[in-house]
Amino acid sequence: GEDVEQSLFLSVREGDSSVINCTYTDSSSTYLYWYKQEPGAGLQLLTYIFSNMDMKQDQRLTVLLNKKDKHLSLRIADTQTGDSAIYFCAESQGGSYIPTFGRGTSLIVHP
Amino acid sequence: DAGVIQSPRHEVTEMGQEVTLRCKPISGHNSLFWYRQTMMRGLELLIYFNNNVPIDDSGMPEDRFSAKMPNASFSTLKIQPSEPRDSAVYFCASSLLGDYEQYFGPGTRLTVT
Repeated sequence: GEDVEQSLFLSVREGDSSVINCTYTDSSSTYLYWYKQEPGAGLQLLTYIFSNMDMKQDQRLTVLLNKKDKHLSLRIADTQTGDSAIYFCAESQGGSYIPTFGRGTSLIVHP
Repeated sequence: DAGVIQSPRHEVTEMGQEVTLRCKPISGHNSLFWYRQTMMRGLELLIYFNNNVPIDDSGMPEDRFSAKMPNASFSTLKIQPSEPRDSAVYFCASSLLGDYEQYFGPGTRLTVT
């Protein structure tokens, strides 16, 4: 299987919360990231979490990390049409800052 | 700062032709990465440089692919000869050495017919 896995699509209604899930295989992962790719653009770091943290909140974004299950999630509160994009989960290990990316989840926000 | 600059943004070429993609990293960044994005394979790291030196090119798919970084402000990815299966979006990214955040360019969409 792949090192970082995530579902390919998620559709939500505007104003609802979105939860994008990711699983990874490497227990030595030190940094876990969420990148956002808007149409026609490159990836942009949205948020990250260190492996010694369980949760990180940044305005409408909440990242939850379950190290035991190697599960990472990104919750977007009050999802807006501008949040429509592809969201990539990524991880890197201590001593290496090179991320391994998942295949990305396309978030579709409809009115 | 203008961010990472890539050119061209779109390239359409015929099978067998040589293709050269260009990248200018963010000034001061000393790590540079080339990625390829396709529907089938997702985002793949092709090669990366630290201080203009290639560190890991294990992601380069074939000998038809080559990358250079002659100085800190310029890198090229060359495909010779190109094939239809090379059609993809190619991203360049840069970062400070040892920093976890990479800054991506807008990508070059390559179509090989």
